[in-house]
Amino acid sequence: DTEVTQTPKHLVMGMTNKKSLKCEQHMGHRAMYWYKQKAKKPPELMFVYSYEKLSINESVPSRFSPECPNSSLLNLHLHALQPEDSALYLCASSQAGLNEKLFFGSGTQLSVL
Amino acid sequence: GQSLEQPSEVTAVEGAIVQINCTYQTSGFYGLSWYQQHDGGAPTFLSYNALDGLEETGRFSSFLSRSDSYGYLLLQELQMKDSASYFCAVRDRRYSSASKIIFGSGTRLSIRP
Repeated sequence: DTEVTQTPKHLVMGMTNKKSLKCEQHMGHRAMYWYKQKAKKPPELMFVYSYEKLSINESVPSRFSPECPNSSLLNLHLHALQPEDSALYLCASSQAGLNEKLFFGSGTQLSVL
Repeated sequence: GQSLEQPSEVTAVEGAIVQINCTYQTSGFYGLSWYQQHDGGAPTFLSYNALDGLEETGRFSSFLSRSDSYGYLLLQELQMKDSASYFCAVRDRRYSSASKIIFGSGTRLSIRP
C-alpha cells in the first residue's frame, strides 16, 4: 500500500463552521505533512510532524490546528476560516528523518464562503 | 533563504523531447527533486539528484550541476499524458529534525498532437 488517503475530497464551509480534514497512510512513514496549494501555484508547507511530534509550524494562523493521533493518522482542524483560505489542502508522508521523497494524497478542495 | 526558478510554461509536440530547467539559490544544498502534478491530482515524486550528472528513469531523466546551481528534467518520447505541471524542489537546510521541502513555482507542460 503506497497510498496516502485524504477525506473529504471536497469541502464547503462557512466562516463560522468547524470542520476537520483527515489523512491516513499505512506505509510505516513517521513523518507527515500538511501543504496548502492555491490554483496555479506550488504547494506551500504548513506543518510537519515527525514521530507524532510537531516539528515545523510555518507560522500558520491558529484557525488551523493540526493533530497527529498516531503514526498513521493526521488531522487538520479548521475553525473560523476566511474566504482566502480556500485552496487545495494536501497531506503527504515520508520515511522518517531528512527525506526528499514525499508521498502526497489527492487533497481536499476547500471552499470557504 | 531559498529560491527556485523555472519557466512558467512550456509547449511541445507529442513524440518530441522537452527540457524543463530549474535554477536555485539556497543557503546549503542537499539535492534537487522533481515532482509531477496533473490537474486536480496529487504531486508525484519523479526523481532526486544529490550528485552532479544525469539520472535516467525510463522516458524521464534528471540532471544536476551543483557548481552552476542548475538542474533540468528531460522528458523523451512525449505522450499526451505528460501534460502536467512539473515542480523542482529542494530541502531547506535550516531544519535538522524534519524535512521542509520547498517547491519551485512550477512549469506547466502542454503537449500538442
